[in-house]
Amino acid sequence: DSGVTQTPKHLITATGQRVTLRCSPRSGDLSVYWYQQSLDQGLQFLIQYYNGEERAKGNILERFSAQQFPDLHSELNLSSLELGDSALYFCASSVATGVTTEAFFGQGTRLTVV
Amino acid sequence: GESVGLHLPTLSVQEGDNSIINCAYSNSASDYFIWYKQESGKGPQFIIDIRSNMDKRQGQRVTVLLNKTVKHLSLQIAATQPGDSAVYFCAENMGGGKLIFGQGTELSVKP
Repeated sequence: DSGVTQTPKHLITATGQRVTLRCSPRSGDLSVYWYQQSLDQGLQFLIQYYNGEERAKGNILERFSAQQFPDLHSELNLSSLELGDSALYFCASSVATGVTTEAFFGQGTRLTVV
Repeated sequence: GESVGLHLPTLSVQEGDNSIINCAYSNSASDYFIWYKQESGKGPQFIIDIRSNMDKRQGQRVTVLLNKTVKHLSLQIAATQPGDSAVYFCAENMGGGKLIFGQGTELSVKP
């Protein structure tokens, strides 16, 4: 158990809908990262927050957004869902943001868009 | 653009043999590399890392080799066990926790 908690574990929704994925980082970790894992794109970095502020952005679609709350949990919002958004979404956390800081991954949320 | 790729998508080995998983990267300025293991239904798990100022780093049953000349990484697993069966990813840390992952190699260990 990495200490990073993601909910829900599975989510099935229809195209055009909006969903929210939740992540609770390890105790004491200030930084949260979101990744998408799909069969054709592999593991892709989406976005990072550090202590409530956006720190880095990757290949995140405009339909997607995220935030980190004062209690350090984070939410990833996916809207106007398309079939191609079906994927595993992982959250990771780390205590700091340095290059060599180890990030711990949660178990992921499997999103299926039908 | 930046990319980190793996040479082999699947690798099958006998229990007890050594495994070697390879990875190529394209950004010659990369400074820090990590190998992750992902078991079915779980998130990636840190195995071992290496900085660009090193050629080799050893952990428990695992060794990572870095060849900066040809931009190549390898992960060696000694005495491979059934519990080592998983998908292995190399990743390049671009800073701030932004990891660029390779496509992954599935390691299958036959008893």
